[in-house]
Amino acid sequence: GESVGLHLPTLSVQEGDNSIINCAYSNSASDYFIWYKQESGKGPQFIIDIRSNMDKRQGQRVTVLLNKTVKHLSLQIAATQPGDSAVYFCAESAGGATNKLIFGTGTLLAVQP
Amino acid sequence: GAGVSQSPRYKVTKRGQDVTLRCDPISSHATLYWYQQALGQGPEFLTYFNYEAQPDKSGLPSDRFSAERPEGSISTLTIQRTEQRDSAMYRCASSPTGLAGYNEQFFGPGTRLTVL
Repeated sequence: GESVGLHLPTLSVQEGDNSIINCAYSNSASDYFIWYKQESGKGPQFIIDIRSNMDKRQGQRVTVLLNKTVKHLSLQIAATQPGDSAVYFCAESAGGATNKLIFGTGTLLAVQP
Repeated sequence: GAGVSQSPRYKVTKRGQDVTLRCDPISSHATLYWYQQALGQGPEFLTYFNYEAQPDKSGLPSDRFSAERPEGSISTLTIQRTEQRDSAMYRCASSPTGLAGYNEQFFGPGTRLTVL
């Protein structure tokens, strides 16, 4: 499979700990933000999204925080598990007719058992 | 179908040859996207379709790249006169509505293109 871990920022955590992955986005006009998980050899998989009229959204074991003032997005994973090991990408969209996604630099999450 | 599928999964070609990549989106999904993903990077937008229409192809790197979706379902991405710099993973994604806004994109497994 492909290796997506080359030259990526890496976060190493112990199993059971909480993980926080950060992302700075570029376009102040972006109004929709998504976190994707990409495992080796696979396509990006949707985790959670948030619209710009919110500053926090929770899912199962995951929380996304949005700070529009400083154009910052974070993904919190509770009780991190070995299966969470992957590259995580944030993506932004200005919505509209295209809804094309602009992906940030990925972060490699390595969970130590 | 159960998910987005792409074929072939791997394609090796010689510089100067034409290649065509195929995407089968999730059935009934109106919107289909093509992205290019370099190793260690996030996907980069190439173009998208809303049914048969192709409103935005601003991400296509050159006029050697073209995409079609003639019946609003399956799509092909063609690269003419391939160059080594075209080597990358090409990913297709689909989403369930043609309306503007905020819809999850489901990604396929990609086609790994290598140009020798």
